[in-house]
Amino acid sequence: SYELTQPPSVSVSPGETASISCSGDKLEDKYVCWYQQRPGQSPVLVMYQNKRRPSGIPERFSGSNSGTTATLAISGTQEMDEADYYCQVWDSSAFVVFGGGTKLTVL
Amino acid sequence: QVQLVQSGAVVKKPGASVKVSCKAFGYTFSSHFIHWVRQAPGQGLEWMGIITPTTGSANYAQRFKGRITMTSDTSTNTLYMHLNGLTSADTAVYYCARDANTAGYVDLWGPGTLVTVSS
Repeated sequence: SYELTQPPSVSVSPGETASISCSGDKLEDKYVCWYQQRPGQSPVLVMYQNKRRPSGIPERFSGSNSGTTATLAISGTQEMDEADYYCQVWDSSAFVVFGGGTKLTVL
Repeated sequence: QVQLVQSGAVVKKPGASVKVSCKAFGYTFSSHFIHWVRQAPGQGLEWMGIITPTTGSANYAQRFKGRITMTSDTSTNTLYMHLNGLTSADTAVYYCARDANTAGYVDLWGPGTLVTVSS
């Protein structure tokens, strides 16, 4: 079955750029999306089709996907960006696959 | 308002079954697949399956096959997820989530339903 690997945690100082990685076999051949989940809340889509931002998502969020790694970058990170982030792909055999999630700490 | 409204939290005993509902508002019910995703306490997101609301055709994650059933009621724009043979490992928040135009990702999440399995 297909697997996506994320680092369990990432720390960043306010105002700096946070980068969250997501790795998988031949990942560049798939579309990757990202969800943000704040404590006690439902996930929210923050990036789809590798680098497209949904309406309402700040421009400081950006995405890329190359080789075996996709990256969600948050420039000028704010305290409100502190949350869990999950990558996800659609796989022809396993359908929907989530990464294990990354806890972003802004300190 | 475009939203998914789910049934309330429930407590079940081991071995029992649970049925969670998800009612769609504010958009064309037939135009979007619906996913079911769960999240155990302190854990990540786990995909359970997907259903086509108009036909009721569903595909399930391998680990749930045999004890999960997803159904759809087009007369009330409501989806259901039925899970039987509950164990404590099924304690989780269960989300219904709208697929973005057959694109394979979710653009709208329900608020979640907490299912607690405890003796």
